[in-house]
Amino acid sequence: KQEVTQIPAALSVPEGENLVLNCSFTDSAIYNLQWFRQDPGKGLTSLLLIQSSQREQTSGRLNASLDKSSGRSTLYIAASQPGDSATYLCAVPNSGNTPLVFGKGTRLSVIA
Amino acid sequence: DAMVIQNPRYQVTQFGKPVTLSCSQTLNHNVMYWYQQKSSQAPKLLFHYYDKDFNNEADTPDNFQSRRPNTSFCFLDIRSPGLGDAAMYLCATSTYAGGAYNEQFFGPGTRLTVL
Repeated sequence: KQEVTQIPAALSVPEGENLVLNCSFTDSAIYNLQWFRQDPGKGLTSLLLIQSSQREQTSGRLNASLDKSSGRSTLYIAASQPGDSATYLCAVPNSGNTPLVFGKGTRLSVIA
Repeated sequence: DAMVIQNPRYQVTQFGKPVTLSCSQTLNHNVMYWYQQKSSQAPKLLFHYYDKDFNNEADTPDNFQSRRPNTSFCFLDIRSPGLGDAAMYLCATSTYAGGAYNEQFFGPGTRLTVL
């Protein structure tokens, strides 16, 4: 069964810093990987979807990379802002092409 | 705007009293999902529908049931809520095309409290 690990569990940075969030998964036979943002008490907002054939995806200040063979993905946030404070979750299919399994997330605090 | 809507946003029920949570979507996606998320934990998939085909996760308790009467609506029924069922319940949708589950879109969630 797929296991997803996100490190660190929590991160606090000053405004303006560039930062990297890490996600690792045990079964590399995946179709895609998705990064989400969750604000406290709210639903999940999709940030980026990377297909297995892609190595990275970019949206604004966010860049996600995927290394399938090593079972790793990173989410890079450039020039962090207090509004980026949230929990960031990584999700991959349980195996191959099945619905998603989530990591526990990284709780990010950006201090003004 | 196309979206996923969940009602109610907050639900309080009594121990053992059946409760139904509702989800609707205007995205016309053929897959709908229900997740349970407890505090500081990852969302856990309970079940999903691909069109009318129901797919139950192996460890989803029998206490949880679901109905999808049409493409737009999906319901989560908790037959006899226990204190351990207090959680955020998240509905999501996606397409299934070309042999793959595609990008998932989530509703705002329903926070369930069991007294």
